[in-house]
Amino acid sequence: EDQVTQSPEALRLQEGESSSLNCSYTVSGLRGLFWYRQDPGKGPEFLFTLYSAGEEKEKERLKATLTKKESFLHITAPKPEDSATYLCAVHPSYWGKLQFGAGTQVVVTP
Amino acid sequence: GAVVSQHPSRVICKSGTSVKIECRSLDFQATTMFWYRQFPKQSLMLMATSNEGSKATYEQGVEKDKFLINHASLTLSTLTVTSAHPEDSSFYICSASYPGLAGTDTQYFGPGTRLTVL
Repeated sequence: EDQVTQSPEALRLQEGESSSLNCSYTVSGLRGLFWYRQDPGKGPEFLFTLYSAGEEKEKERLKATLTKKESFLHITAPKPEDSATYLCAVHPSYWGKLQFGAGTQVVVTP
Repeated sequence: GAVVSQHPSRVICKSGTSVKIECRSLDFQATTMFWYRQFPKQSLMLMATSNEGSKATYEQGVEKDKFLINHASLTLSTLTVTSAHPEDSSFYICSASYPGLAGTDTQYFGPGTRLTVL
């Protein structure tokens, strides 16, 4: 059965305290893995697409990496404005639909 | 680029009335649009997939007669919640897919519509 699991569920960080979020997946073939950021009361904002193991992408303080079983979203020296829920989604090769994880809620305090 | 808008952002209606939500891709043509529903503290739940000019494909358990979807053009899809009841109150989010690499389309999401049925 296909599964996307994100951990931890919630993460509280001090400003400047780097950390990583995990997204582990079991799907029958992976076309792509997506990271989104969602602020309360808003739609998800696209961050990254990763297609193959070993791939990395960066944007400001965020860096996403992909292996054959999981993806990490590294937040380097976070700021309070990085507070959000981060969603991971996979696109299985046989299916046109995204499968979402439950998300990791990140709170960065000054 | 890849901006998706939704209108209205909030709507409050009485039980039994119908509500229409519009989803537009502003700077690209989207062959496929998706409609999601999100409950508090939960992830997105796909309701239906719509392709321009054809009937929408609904997920199991979603009533097609209650949630009418029309994808009239490559930039516009609408969701109509018919005879809305309080249990239909939720956050509705649309997305439009943009072609990517390896046959994978990236979904870009609208800002969402908060529906409250009294």
